[in-house]
Amino acid sequence: DVKVTQSSRYLVKRTGEKVFLECVQDMDHENMFWYRQDPGLGLRLIYFSYDVKMKEKGDIPEGYSVSREKKERFSLILESASTNQTSMYLCASSFQGYEQYFGPGTRLTVT
Amino acid sequence: DQQVKQNSPSLSVQEGRISILNCDYTNSMFDYFLWYKKYPAEGPTFLISISSIKDKNEDGRFTVFLNKSAKHLSLHIVPSQPGDSAVYFCAASWGGSNYKLTFGKGTLLTVNP
Repeated sequence: DVKVTQSSRYLVKRTGEKVFLECVQDMDHENMFWYRQDPGLGLRLIYFSYDVKMKEKGDIPEGYSVSREKKERFSLILESASTNQTSMYLCASSFQGYEQYFGPGTRLTVT
Repeated sequence: DQQVKQNSPSLSVQEGRISILNCDYTNSMFDYFLWYKKYPAEGPTFLISISSIKDKNEDGRFTVFLNKSAKHLSLHIVPSQPGDSAVYFCAASWGGSNYKLTFGKGTLLTVNP
């Protein structure tokens, strides 16, 4: 079974803090994705990566950056957290196909 | 511009009856469609998919229908069970997109015992 893990299930941070969300997959998948899910807005793509050190902006990249130094690990960075970044963050991975496997999510609250 | 639309935020059905969840898309490039199911506090899980070369795909109680001319797809669940209660997301993609998915906003399905 594909396993996608995220470093924290729940996280509370203060406005202005730098926040790191980590995602690890164990299936040697090429592609990795970061989404945020907000009520009434569905899943929106923040960034994705199709290879080590390769990244591409999604639909809502503002205020975020990413890092992929190793194939299995994809990090989402909030350079200076703001209250409008309070959300559920979901990481996903896929091999050379459309089906994506999701992690359990990180509920981030910025106060 | 919302390219994948799920116009019903919620749907309630009785156990044993059919659930029909609908999805419309606007981008003619889309050629692959997926349905995901999501329980609270969990990540979405893949349910079923369909390629644009087909108009129907079945997997147990779940069937997805695709009407390309209407740019519409639907997910049928028969018979519905209380454990099917979840948010269902429709997603679409195309071959030149690096396998990016575009998701709809989701439909909350409640199956009442």
